[in-house]
Amino acid sequence: SQQGEEDPQALSIQEGENATMNCSYKTSINNLQWYRQNSGRGLVHLILIRSNEREKHSGRLRVTLDTSKKSSSLLITASRAADTASYFCATDQGGKLIFGQGTELSVKP
Amino acid sequence: DTGVSQDPRHKITKRGQNVTFRCDPISEHNRLYWYRQTLGQGPEFLTYFQNEAQLEKSRLLSDRFSAERPKGSFSTLEIQRTEQGDSAMYLCASSLVNNDGYTFGSGTRLTVV
Repeated sequence: SQQGEEDPQALSIQEGENATMNCSYKTSINNLQWYRQNSGRGLVHLILIRSNEREKHSGRLRVTLDTSKKSSSLLITASRAADTASYFCATDQGGKLIFGQGTELSVKP
Repeated sequence: DTGVSQDPRHKITKRGQNVTFRCDPISEHNRLYWYRQTLGQGPEFLTYFQNEAQLEKSRLLSDRFSAERPKGSFSTLEIQRTEQGDSAMYLCASSLVNNDGYTFGSGTRLTVV
């Protein structure tokens, strides 16, 4: 069973627009991580935010974490067609990651 | 080190047969994880190792599944008496103990016919 829930399940935008994906979780966490998966491939680690952090940036990525609401968001700015992929949040619980169901992002050129 | 390697990439097997998958993690990583992923879903945790010790196994995991990491390096995942419901992508990942991010392999896609 999955820990987190992601919203929306699917998102379709035009190149150049921003994409926002949200993740909610249920239990206390050590950190929250975001991963990307291209069709039929393994996952790639994008960014990690610790439970005592509220916001983190990496290139065109911005992640926020609200531990009081048990939620996180991933913002991809100035999207590109190459950003088309599935995006998963994962929470670190007792030494292992528990993944959400993911958001499927489609960026149209 | 080129990352996490999984072998084979694809496996088609008949129901009732046993299958074994191999994972070679990044050599400096002492943690190794197995996940299962079906279409449209996120990866589901199966089990993980720290060095050669299996620290946790999902309660959802049937007794037909077993994993080993005999020398704390590569790992194998065996499924006995496969069922059609075992058809999925099996993903292996490795990390350091501080878990600042997993490195995933490309996965083994299992099809049970």
